[in-house]
Amino acid sequence: SQTIHQWPATLVQPVGSPLSLECTVEGTSNPNLYWYRQAAGRGLQLLFYSVGIGQISSEVPQNLSASRPQDRQFILSSKKLLLSDSGFYLCAWSALSYEQYFGPGTRLTVT
Amino acid sequence: AQTVTQSQPEMSVQEAETVTLSCTYDTSENNYYLFWYKQPPSRQMILVIRQEAYKQQNATENRFSVNFQKAAKSFSLKISDSQLGDTAMYFCAFMKLHTGANSKLTFGKGITLSVRP
Repeated sequence: SQTIHQWPATLVQPVGSPLSLECTVEGTSNPNLYWYRQAAGRGLQLLFYSVGIGQISSEVPQNLSASRPQDRQFILSSKKLLLSDSGFYLCAWSALSYEQYFGPGTRLTVT
Repeated sequence: AQTVTQSQPEMSVQEAETVTLSCTYDTSENNYYLFWYKQPPSRQMILVIRQEAYKQQNATENRFSVNFQKAAKSFSLKISDSQLGDTAMYFCAFMKLHTGANSKLTFGKGITLSVRP
């Protein structure tokens, strides 16, 4: 069966510091991968998606970036965090055009 | 662009009773999927149920069922025999069918459901 992992689970970072969140998927090949952000009490906002290694599409212009160095690895990064980057970050995977399955998420607090 | 609207921010139901969560959407597409996701206090998003737009029969998964009204662009979730573990935030989501490999979801803002003992 497929599983999706995210780490770290929680993170507290000062403004201006770098960020690296990692997502890995097991049990499937060539998945579509997604990064979402959820602000407190709100819905999910799609940040990035990837249909293959090195293929990244951005949905929202911001100071975040994403990379996919391996088939089942998806990384969310920032060179300098802003206060507005605080939130809950969710990674998801899907097979072709079907439903998405989510990881446990990372709670990021920028201080 | 597609939009998903969940107009009820909160609902409450007594344990063992039935509750219906509303969702409407707007699209010009004819082929698409609709989903309900559950987000419990742990905050992991869990897929509850899926409905293909080309299917007239409403989807069911154990205590969860949907009322899909394609002409009205309405997609409500009915939870029967509510349990304390059903307490969560519920999100309605829309996905346009692509011939390619991308399956982007558009989410509603969610509704907080509380099940009272």
